[in-house]
Amino acid sequence: SQQGEEDPQALSIQEGENATMNCSYKTSINNLQWYRQNSGRGLVHLILIRSNEREKHSGRLRVTLDTSKKSSSLLITASRAADTASYFCATDNAGNMLTFGGGTRLMVKP
Amino acid sequence: EPEVTQTPSHQVTQMGQEVILRCVPISNHLYFYWYRQILGQKVEFLVSFYNNEISEKSEIFDDQFSVERPDGSNFTLKIRSTKLEDSAMYFCASSEQRIVQPQHFGDGTRLSIL
Repeated sequence: SQQGEEDPQALSIQEGENATMNCSYKTSINNLQWYRQNSGRGLVHLILIRSNEREKHSGRLRVTLDTSKKSSSLLITASRAADTASYFCATDNAGNMLTFGGGTRLMVKP
Repeated sequence: EPEVTQTPSHQVTQMGQEVILRCVPISNHLYFYWYRQILGQKVEFLVSFYNNEISEKSEIFDDQFSVERPDGSNFTLKIRSTKLEDSAMYFCASSEQRIVQPQHFGDGTRLSIL
């Protein structure tokens, strides 16, 4: 089964606008994490939300988690051109492995 | 800020040859991981390693793959007899603890099998 599917696959917005990316998953999780990947680079951890949390903030990032719907969303407020990257959700079932989704490619136009 | 470093950044190898990818995890981290990302596809878990042994491995991590921590700083992934389908970006990651901890990734090694 596919775990961690992001929606949309691609998103193009103007600088200053908000960007919302969604992630759905299928199995139970211990926590869900969001990562960012600039082209040709590694994954950078953004935020981790535990299964007993519903919302978490970090700077311009806001993550929500709905375990009943097995979904999460990442909101980037007041986007900047430098936010252009791919964003991935990854689920952790309290084992040692992260299961990644296919990612959302975000382009922020100046 | 401490980083995970990987070498080489790009490795080109003939099919059937052995290749070793190297990683230096963050120094106080205890858990180490390898992932791969075939071009245009998802990042896939390969293996996790703790206390000098494999903790968990995926179906991808077959007998052609092995991992080792040869000293106190390096963590390596060996592919014994490379296949064309092994061409991918290989990412090393490390974390302080196993559960509820972010994993810190290196910039990856691009492996190209000819």
